[in-house]
Amino acid sequence: NAGVIQTPRHKVTGKGQEATLWCEPISGHSAVFWYRQTIVQGLEFLTYFRNQAPIDDSGMPKERFSAQMPNQSHSTLKIQSTQPQDSAVYLCASSGGGQDTQYFGPGTRLLVL
Amino acid sequence: GEKVEQHESTLSVREGDSAVINCTYTDTASSYFPWYKQEAGKSLHFVIDIRSNVDRKQSQRLIVLLDKKAKRFSLHITATQPEDSAIYFCAANDSGYNKLTFGKGTVLLVSP
Repeated sequence: NAGVIQTPRHKVTGKGQEATLWCEPISGHSAVFWYRQTIVQGLEFLTYFRNQAPIDDSGMPKERFSAQMPNQSHSTLKIQSTQPQDSAVYLCASSGGGQDTQYFGPGTRLLVL
Repeated sequence: GEKVEQHESTLSVREGDSAVINCTYTDTASSYFPWYKQEAGKSLHFVIDIRSNVDRKQSQRLIVLLDKKAKRFSLHITATQPEDSAIYFCAANDSGYNKLTFGKGTVLLVSP
């Protein structure tokens, strides 16, 4: 079991550019979560899918962030017109559903210059 | 929404001693409380969790206690080892749903 896979591991973008982050959940897991980690804000929930359907996006900044799960094997988080304050480690987690344990991927470190 | 406060920002113990990290939460509907360990430059690694139907859970050297009345839960690491040194995060599921609200983390240093 490879665990949750996230690509790229590091991404540097210029202000105003687009960034797309990829997550492959653990095979058989039905729930995918996205979180963001910064020194100042700590760990913040962004959005959550179950069986590919969006369930809760209450943590997503409304204007420039979007997430999709087109099939059960991957989810994407897209940030349009990136800003320096978007710099963070973006973490994807998957679980078997319900209140099962969430297993985290290695994260994508995004730096917006 | 849920708020989780992690009371110790840093904790230093000697190898072999016990370490205790305390967290409190605000939402009475929260029912699931996991703990994660993060080593330098790495992601979150699940260590142990507790659900609201029990008040104590143990896995080897790790013990989690839950006091629902006080809305408090704690992680006890017994017989600490240098490799226990890391940042530990407590979390609670928000309003009984699946998303997690995390504490700010506790840096645990175990000195030989």
